[in-house]
Amino acid sequence: GAGVSQSPRYKVAKRGQDVALRCDPISGHVSLFWYQQALGQGPEFLTYFQNEAQLDKSGLPSDRFFAERPEGSVSTLKIQRTQQEDSAVYLCASSPRDRTGELFFGEGSRLTVL
Amino acid sequence: RKEVEQDPGPFNVPEGATVAFNCTYSNSASQSFFWYRQDCRKEPKLLMSVYSSGNEDGRFTAQLNRASQYISLLIRDSKLSDSATYLCVVILGTAGGFKTIFGAGTRLFVKA
Repeated sequence: GAGVSQSPRYKVAKRGQDVALRCDPISGHVSLFWYQQALGQGPEFLTYFQNEAQLDKSGLPSDRFFAERPEGSVSTLKIQRTQQEDSAVYLCASSPRDRTGELFFGEGSRLTVL
Repeated sequence: RKEVEQDPGPFNVPEGATVAFNCTYSNSASQSFFWYRQDCRKEPKLLMSVYSSGNEDGRFTAQLNRASQYISLLIRDSKLSDSATYLCVVILGTAGGFKTIFGAGTRLFVKA
């Protein structure tokens, strides 16, 4: 497809489980972002990649959160030892250029931690 | 104080009404500004960029006031299909590159 693809769309995890969320950006897009969106809130910045380099991870809420983009294309957001407060929609976005607000979002991965 | 603040609404307006949303940002070094639209349980989508000179796209007009650090979005002749959450977005330069910061959004309901 031509858009940003995220998987899984829905994930239910038991507290303490590890989860991995995948993002396949639009081909050729340099920048990739991860956001966390709680119900009724705007997307909260987690981390940003320019190609394979993770330039900003200041939004990751704890060291249980880890993101990578090893080949500058597909990215994975990993959450270890999930907690109930991790329940949210995780949005991935890509952009063809650096320093632009023109982001193309995937449909998100909805994580529910029981 | 949040970096980007919006009135959460909801704004309930009849079809045909004109409605305006404001958004304030705290960092004067913010570089560029956008409005996104997000439908219920969908991903955000870019609506329009915001320039100091103001810009218009059909029924939508966006304005930036750098001195007062606020952005506005005006929707004229509201349609039922305009019902959505409108997100204010600010680009901020950082040591590592830049950060795209979203407001919490303003909900709009347009009723027949």
